[in-house]
Amino acid sequence: NAGVTQTPKFRILKIGQSMTLQCTQDMNHNYMYWYRQDPGMGLKLIYYSVGAGITDKGEVPNGYNVSRSTTEDFPLRLELAAPSQTSVYFCASSYEVTGGYNEKLFFGSGTQLSVL
Amino acid sequence: AQSVSQHNHHVILSEAASLELGCNYSYGGTVNLFWYVQYPGQHLQLLLKYFSGDPLVKGIKGFEAEFIKSKFSFNLRKPSVQWSDTAEYFCAVANAGGTSYGKLTFGQGTILTVHP
Repeated sequence: NAGVTQTPKFRILKIGQSMTLQCTQDMNHNYMYWYRQDPGMGLKLIYYSVGAGITDKGEVPNGYNVSRSTTEDFPLRLELAAPSQTSVYFCASSYEVTGGYNEKLFFGSGTQLSVL
Repeated sequence: AQSVSQHNHHVILSEAASLELGCNYSYGGTVNLFWYVQYPGQHLQLLLKYFSGDPLVKGIKGFEAEFIKSKFSFNLRKPSVQWSDTAEYFCAVANAGGTSYGKLTFGQGTILTVHP
């Protein structure tokens, strides 16, 4: 049972480069999320999706883009990498529960990104 | 916008000591409350959650948390910690229901180090 799989685990980018962080889940979850974790700052929501074809901005969306063409995949794209995007990125997914209550998030193992 | 504050960035204890990690949130409506834990080298995982009912909730590995609505708090406790409890702990809050889709706001995290 793979759960939520993120690739790559580590990446170093130069300023201005672009890249895509991959995220896939095999639990048939409708909800998927991208968070970034900065030291001492907790996790901040970047983008989320409530189903294939539906995405919306979270708390810190600037500099990122997402797409959700399938239930399984939710890639995060950085178009012009900046040092401020140096962070650890976590993808997560969850069931939809009656009333919109989010029972539990399943997290991937994270991607450590450095922009130099 | 709601926010979550964890009182301590780093807590160091000896085995068998009692633990209490503070968490306060700022939101006047109905909330769902969570504690997540990240053990070294592992994914973030759910420790316990509160949705409604008994404000004292019990989670895995002997942890419990008490929701005190009047204090906007959801402190995590364990009577006797073990070396294996060494991890980073995150408090999280979600608006209950509505159109929030269960999006979680996380606290800054507290690193717990337990010495044998």
